[in-house]
Amino acid sequence: SQQGEEDPQALSIQEGENATMNCSYKTSINNLQWYRQNSGRGLVHLILIRSNEREKHSGRLRVTLDTSKKSSSLLITASRAADTASYFCATDSGAGSYQLTFGKGTKLSVIP
Amino acid sequence: NAGVTQTPKFQVLKTGQSMTLQCAQDMNHEYMSWYRQDPGMGLRLIHYSVGAGITDQGEVPNGYNVSRSTTEDFPLRLLSAAPSQTSVYFCASSLAKFYEQYFGPGTRLTVT
Repeated sequence: SQQGEEDPQALSIQEGENATMNCSYKTSINNLQWYRQNSGRGLVHLILIRSNEREKHSGRLRVTLDTSKKSSSLLITASRAADTASYFCATDSGAGSYQLTFGKGTKLSVIP
Repeated sequence: NAGVTQTPKFQVLKTGQSMTLQCAQDMNHEYMSWYRQDPGMGLRLIHYSVGAGITDQGEVPNGYNVSRSTTEDFPLRLLSAAPSQTSVYFCASSLAKFYEQYFGPGTRLTVT
């Protein structure tokens, strides 16, 4: 069963605009991670946010986590054509779990 | 460091054939896992290992076997291939539970 679900499923924006993707999950977590996948390639880790953190930045990426709402958002500012990819959130299922569960992803298209 | 390597990149099997997908990492990571990625389904965990000699089932283990005799290698065996196993397979490793995962480039498998 899916722990994390991304929203929207697809997003198309103009270069230079900001892109926001959301992830909702069902059970308590230790941390939440975001990954990027370019077409036909393996996933690349972007950022990890722990359950006791509310916001984290990395370059043009900003991730927020709201554990009360069991949701996270990924903001990409000043998007570039090279940001075109699918973005996935991944969550664990709490203290006793060894497994990461990935959502179905948001497909982002940045139009030059 | 080569990171996570997977072989082969592409494979076509006939129903009933068996094969082994190879995965190796040179980062001395304890945690390794196998995922399959199908259109519209995101990544689903097949099997994982928390160290040499220790493996466990993920979400979709049926039809697959794994073993972990060394820290570096984590092969995935398809015992009797079925068309439902047509997918892209990714191997990943991480330093420990809940840390960022490093993905291999994937193996695209077609079963006819």
